[in-house]
Amino acid sequence: SSELTQDPAVSVALGQTVRITCQGDSLRNYYASWYQQKPGQAPLFVIYGQNNRPSGIPDRFSGSSSGDTASLTITGAQAEDEADYYCNSRDSSGNHVIFGGGTKLTVL
Amino acid sequence: QVQLVQSGAEVKKPGASVKVSCKASGYTFSTYYIHWVRQAPGQGLEWMGIINSGGGSTGYAQKFQGRVTMTRDRSTSTVYMELSSLTSEDTAVYYCARSAPSVGSYDMDVWGKGTTVTVSS
Repeated sequence: SSELTQDPAVSVALGQTVRITCQGDSLRNYYASWYQQKPGQAPLFVIYGQNNRPSGIPDRFSGSSSGDTASLTITGAQAEDEADYYCNSRDSSGNHVIFGGGTKLTVL
Repeated sequence: QVQLVQSGAEVKKPGASVKVSCKASGYTFSTYYIHWVRQAPGQGLEWMGIINSGGGSTGYAQKFQGRVTMTRDRSTSTVYMELSSLTSEDTAVYYCARSAPSVGSYDMDVWGKGTTVTVSS
């Protein structure tokens, strides 16, 4: 079965730019969606499609994709951006959904 | 506003079944899909399956085939997820999440707050 691979942890200095990546074969055919999850809370939908933000998501969040890798970029990271970030997409069969293992973002 | 309201926490014994509900409001229920996603303590998100709230068709992750059943009641705009033969490894927070029909990715734009299911003897 297909899978999505994320770095377990990433850190960024306050106000700097950080990129979180998600790699998998299915991303050659499907865009990734990205979710932010803070402790004790449900995931929050932050990026979808080629580079789209749902209403209410700050424009410092952006997405991109190339080949088998999708990226979530936070430009000017804020303290409140410290969270776990998950990507997902359909799997290679197109019938099911897969999630990446998640990336814990620390803002220093 | 659009929201998904889930049922309360459950404590079950090994071997039992649990049925979690997810009541939708603020949008046309039958025009969206509902996914179930679970998260074990300290772990990542795990997709369990999807139900078409309109037609009722379902798709389940292979891991849960034969053990999970997703249904919907259009009269109450509620989706249900029943998981049987519970073990301690099913202890997790169970989320429902909405996505629009798509030939591309399933974008889960609205999530319930989660239902904690604890399996313990």
